[in-house]
Parts: sequence; C-alpha cells; structure tokens
Amino acid sequence: EVQLLQSGAEVIKPGESLRVSCKGSGYSFTSYWISWVRQMPGKGLEWMGNIDPSDSYTKYSPSFQGHVTISADKSTSTAYLQWSGLKASDTAIYYCARHMDISSYYAAFDYWGQGTLGTVSS
Amino acid sequence: EIVLTQSPGTLSLSPGERATLSCRASQSISISYLAWYQQKPGQAPRLLIYGTSSRATGIPDRFSGSGSGTDFTLTISRLEPEDFAVYYCQQYGGSPLTFGGGTTVEIK
Repeated sequence: EVQLLQSGAEVIKPGESLRVSCKGSGYSFTSYWISWVRQMPGKGLEWMGNIDPSDSYTKYSPSFQGHVTISADKSTSTAYLQWSGLKASDTAIYYCARHMDISSYYAAFDYWGQGTLGTVSS
Repeated sequence: EIVLTQSPGTLSLSPGERATLSCRASQSISISYLAWYQQKPGQAPRLLIYGTSSRATGIPDRFSGSGSGTDFTLTISRLEPEDFAVYYCQQYGGSPLTFGGGTTVEIK
C-alpha cells in the first residue's frame, strides 16, 4: 500500500526554522516526483515546488523560490520541506503529494500525506 | 503562470441533484493536464479526475470530467451525502503548477 507519512504538528516562534518530512512507503521512492502544497487556514491549495527523488532535481513556484528548500534522502525514502525566518503568515498546513506517473513532472497527484500543521506564534 | 478560476464559489444543492462545477483557465491547457480533487474538512485532498476525464482508482462513475482549451467541467450526476465537500481543479502542464480557488458544494 502506497503511503506518505508526514512529521507531526509544530509550533514555532517567529524567526525560527522549520523542517517537515514526508516518508514514502509501498512503492519505489525514486521513481515518482514529490510535490509540496500549502494550505493556509480556511484557504485553498498552493503548489510550492517539487523534487525528483532520483537525482534531487527541484522546481519551485516563483511565489516560494528563495524562501523554502526542498530536498530528498533516497536512503530513507524521505522528502523534506524546510525554511527559516518564519513569520506568522507562514502558519498553514503543508502537504506532500506523489506525482502519479513514473518519472514525470507533468502528472496529477495520486497520493497525499496527511498534512503537517505549522503554527508560527510567539 | 496559468490562472484557474473556479465557479461558482459555492453551490447549494440537495442529495440526488446534479452538480456542475466550472474551471476556466487564463490560457489554453492540453486536456492531458487537468485534474480535479475533492477535499473534506480535516482531510487531505483526494484525486478524482486526471487528464480532464479519466477517473482515479476507486472513484465512482457519478463523477465525470469534460472540457478542452480553457473551459473544463466536473459533473457529479447525483449527489450522495458524502459528496458535499470542496473541489479544486489543477493544471499540471505548465510551470508553475496551479490550482483553482475551489468550489464548495454544500447541502441546501
């Protein structure tokens, strides 16, 4: 069974750093791109960027380029989303999602993690 | 960037009725690269339709997708109680990938 298991909710102070993890299981982790999606409270879905775990090639949305870093560790089948200098406006649920076609950037997202709530508050 | 505009923002219907949701793109999208997702409160989104009209695994046939160019539609033929949720369209043929703002289907 394909699963994406994300790390737990975090409460972070403004200016601090956050890293969210997404561990894939039940499939060949290096064969499918992983995307990250933000959902601010009561709002819609925003694509942040993605990664090809086979070679760690990444693409970012212009809205998030330079603010976040996406990486992957093939040895543990885990993708990461991290950023520093967090602000209250970064409070959101962050989802990872698998691209449904093998080795394809241009694919819908067939499996999603359960989401990680990141709360930035002093 | 391809902007997706979904309408209406909210659709108030009764179980058993037909729901028609619209997604309009700011520029033409290949039919291969348009998807629809369903999201219920407290849950991650779920893929319903990909490639404009192909149902994802396990999705009942009351859900159907159609369209081309800049206009795409998700139709739910007869609403079941579990279908009341928020629906998002997504294009994945251009970079950045983008989502529409969502349509809420609520019980009338």
